[in-house]
Amino acid sequence: DGGITQSPKYLFRKEGQNVTLSCEQNLNHDAMYWYRQDPGQGLRLIYYSQIVNDFQKGDIAEGYSVSREKKESFPLTVTSAQKNPTAFYLCASSINQGAKGQPQHFGDGTRLSIL
Amino acid sequence: KQEVTQIPAALSVPEGENLVLNCSFTDSAIYNLQWFRQDPGKGLTSLLLIQSSQREQTSGRLNASLDKSSGRSTLYIAASQPGDSATYLCAVRNTGGFKTIFGAGTRLFVKA
Repeated sequence: DGGITQSPKYLFRKEGQNVTLSCEQNLNHDAMYWYRQDPGQGLRLIYYSQIVNDFQKGDIAEGYSVSREKKESFPLTVTSAQKNPTAFYLCASSINQGAKGQPQHFGDGTRLSIL
Repeated sequence: KQEVTQIPAALSVPEGENLVLNCSFTDSAIYNLQWFRQDPGKGLTSLLLIQSSQREQTSGRLNASLDKSSGRSTLYIAASQPGDSATYLCAVRNTGGFKTIFGAGTRLFVKA
């Protein structure tokens, strides 16, 4: 079945460590997104990519980095510069077709905690 | 700057009741509005997407309406069931940009 796979489901980060969250999709979607979800808040956009080898900062990009070397993959690295990384991270994708809005499809998320 | 608000933050109803969840947004220049369901510890599942030119969308017991001029959308759930218990989020995609803005969600609990 087509879908979005995020791994790992749970991740623990030590002080000063960089960690990478994986996101893979087999929906043949052009656009991919990373969101952060904190309790009681809406999703906030970290980074997005409309096409391979291109990505843009979202609203809260500081302390994060991404790459988009393949259409199906959009990994997110949480660097040591992100001082409050504990959150639920969601990856999404959508068809990127001109001006008409297309639905976003989500993975099951990765919960990141500080050790 | 687009802001999306969902009221109430939490709702508890007895099984079988019809209910309405509310979503409001401040900027009417949108491409679409999407309603999602989120179960605890899980990702978002898309329920309904309404394009800016549409007034409503229906899927089974769910009906979503959109009034762009007043900046409002409602999600109507008919004959609620315990399995409907989840958090429901609405999200709008603005024109002239690539971002989708999410509300904080309404946590629904349907009592058996």
